Amino acid sequence: QQPVQSPQAVILREGEDAVINCSSSKALYSVHWYRQKHGEAPVFLMILLKGGEQKGHDKISASFNEKKQQSSLYLTASQLSYSGTYFCGTDTSNTGKLIFGQGTTLQVKP
Amino acid sequence: EAGVTQFPSHSVIEKGQTVTLRCDPISGHDNLYWYRRVMGKEIKFLLHFVKESKQDESGMPNNRFLAERTGGTYSTLKVQPAELEDSGVYFCASSLRRLAGAEEQYFGPGTRLTVT
Repeated sequence: QQPVQSPQAVILREGEDAVINCSSSKALYSVHWYRQKHGEAPVFLMILLKGGEQKGHDKISASFNEKKQQSSLYLTASQLSYSGTYFCGTDTSNTGKLIFGQGTTLQVKP
Repeated sequence: EAGVTQFPSHSVIEKGQTVTLRCDPISGHDNLYWYRRVMGKEIKFLLHFVKESKQDESGMPNNRFLAERTGGTYSTLKVQPAELEDSGVYFCASSLRRLAGAEEQYFGPGTRLTVT
């Protein structure tokens, strides 16, 4: 039931791109993406709703493939501030109950 | 607008003791969620309030955990008696109302609970 995120960890140089994937075995109503820095609250990035769509702001965007029940988060021209752990949270019931993936640790180096 | 606040930020207690965590959601938010992250693992759902009613408490580990949301405002999560495996960071999140699955959840800073 827990979505699977890949990769588990990634190290980038500033300016490089990254893709984080989130796959579910269950039909999804929505996918929520969060970034958490050590010791801080998870910060909302974006929501993707069923129907298949792509969203983005600034250099971070995401897509949701309803057929595959898979979402991908795209980080373009990474900055040092992008470092942290990225979680996808999936909602199968439209109640807001989120089941989170195990997280992807992203480290951006100068 | 104030965000979600949680108290205390840290709590260290001995096994067998009782601890009560508090969450103040954003004013006007009907949905309130409790989550827990055990070190190195994923964030896990505990329960969901809609106003003062428990909508879903399927994630509560056992009957040592008791959550309340009197009056539909702040919520408390009591652990009694605490066990070692209860250690972790407890997050509270809130969202506005209808179409809960399509709404952003605002997370609080969490309470780090250490049971020794």
